[in-house]
Amino acid sequence: QLQLQESGPGLVKPSETLSLTCTVSGGSMSSSTYYWTWIRQPPGKGLEWIGSLYYSGTTYYNPSLKSRVTISVDTSKNLFSLRLGSVTAADPAVYYCVIYNTLSGCFDPWGQGTLVTVSS
Amino acid sequence: DIQMTQSPSSVSASVGDRVTINCRASQGISSRLAWYQQKPGMVPKVLIYAASSLQSGVPPRFSGSGSGTDFSLTISSLQPEDCATYYCQQASSFPLTFGGGTKVEIK
Repeated sequence: QLQLQESGPGLVKPSETLSLTCTVSGGSMSSSTYYWTWIRQPPGKGLEWIGSLYYSGTTYYNPSLKSRVTISVDTSKNLFSLRLGSVTAADPAVYYCVIYNTLSGCFDPWGQGTLVTVSS
Repeated sequence: DIQMTQSPSSVSASVGDRVTINCRASQGISSRLAWYQQKPGMVPKVLIYAASSLQSGVPPRFSGSGSGTDFSLTISSLQPEDCATYYCQQASSFPLTFGGGTKVEIK
């Protein structure tokens, strides 16, 4: 069973870049069934899909964030990463790394989530 | 983009009641729909995938139905531990999208 764990700074300054890493354990990152995905949840609000990366390198991003987002993978280190540039007061959230399973069409498993605050 | 609209936004019911949450897609998504339960401070958990398939380990009082644009999640007999927010999510096409959530409370 794959397990995911987010890591990265919990505090980012306005206009700077948020960078998070998700370490994957318990299996291979080369599966053709999975998209490596980031989802966020602002405090007290709903879930927002940020983007997904296929093992082949194909990426899909939320159109509302596309200009600021990059998701990348390093299979040699069993991790994938999120970079969100030019952060503002709209970006504080719990950020989750998640697997999107193309067969079932659902997100499972999830990392525990990491809270990112934006403040100078 | 496919918009997902959930109703109601909140529901209050008694233990043992039957509770139904609805989810409507802005265009047809076949059966490519999942339901999640999120308790306060916890990670979302898959309950249902492919509109009506019960995730392993999920109690059978949870069921899903629908196809095309209209879907529902039913809790056949509400239990205290079912207090949570429930989200639907479409898996028909990118960008993947969630409904706004339905908060279920016990009366």
